Amino acid sequence: GENVEQHPSTLSVQEGDSAVIKCTYSDSASNYFPWYKQELGKGPQLIIDIRSNVGEKKDQRIAVTLNKTAKHFSLHITETQPEDSAVYFCAASGRMDTGFQKLVFGTGTRLLVSP
Amino acid sequence: DTAVSQTPKYLVTQMGNDKSIKCEQNLGHDTMYWYKQDSKKFLKIMFSYNNKELIINETVPNRFSPKSPDKAHLNLHINSLELGDSAVYFCASRGGINQPQHFGDGTRLSIL
Repeated sequence: GENVEQHPSTLSVQEGDSAVIKCTYSDSASNYFPWYKQELGKGPQLIIDIRSNVGEKKDQRIAVTLNKTAKHFSLHITETQPEDSAVYFCAASGRMDTGFQKLVFGTGTRLLVSP
Repeated sequence: DTAVSQTPKYLVTQMGNDKSIKCEQNLGHDTMYWYKQDSKKFLKIMFSYNNKELIINETVPNRFSPKSPDKAHLNLHINSLELGDSAVYFCASRGGINQPQHFGDGTRLSIL
């Protein structure tokens, strides 16, 4: 089955700096890669996703890159702000034998942005 | 107009008790999920239902029994609660293949 590794586990940056979180996956059949942000006491919220037919996607200060050959994808946050502080999860989704999809999550990165 | 709502938000109970967590989504999605998040924040899928049919069951003890009365609801019943069941349980729903999952705000279960 799919296995997703995520690094780093914690990341501290100064406000205005960039932050990069990296994930690798094991199943070459995976074709959907969402990123979630989880704030304290809340459920994970989707911030950006990418499908396997695209190498890069950008939404304002957030971008995601995907390298299918190397089986890794990354989240880039530019001009970080204190409100970006949260736990970020990557995930990979592939089709199971049953034809349905299952998301496998990375272990999370705690991002702290200091003013 | 909450998309995925879970009740209760907090559940504190004694070991050995039986408890239920309810989940409802108003997004019209066909697929719903239960996840468990432990103290280290690891998110693991437990169950998934598609149109009231169980499609994922991830080696969860049979003390856990999901029930989907209709495609907008997925409840989780837990028998004989154990200390290791303490965690945050998240419900989620998804509208289609390669579409995002939408999560509720979780139910924090604490076993005394």
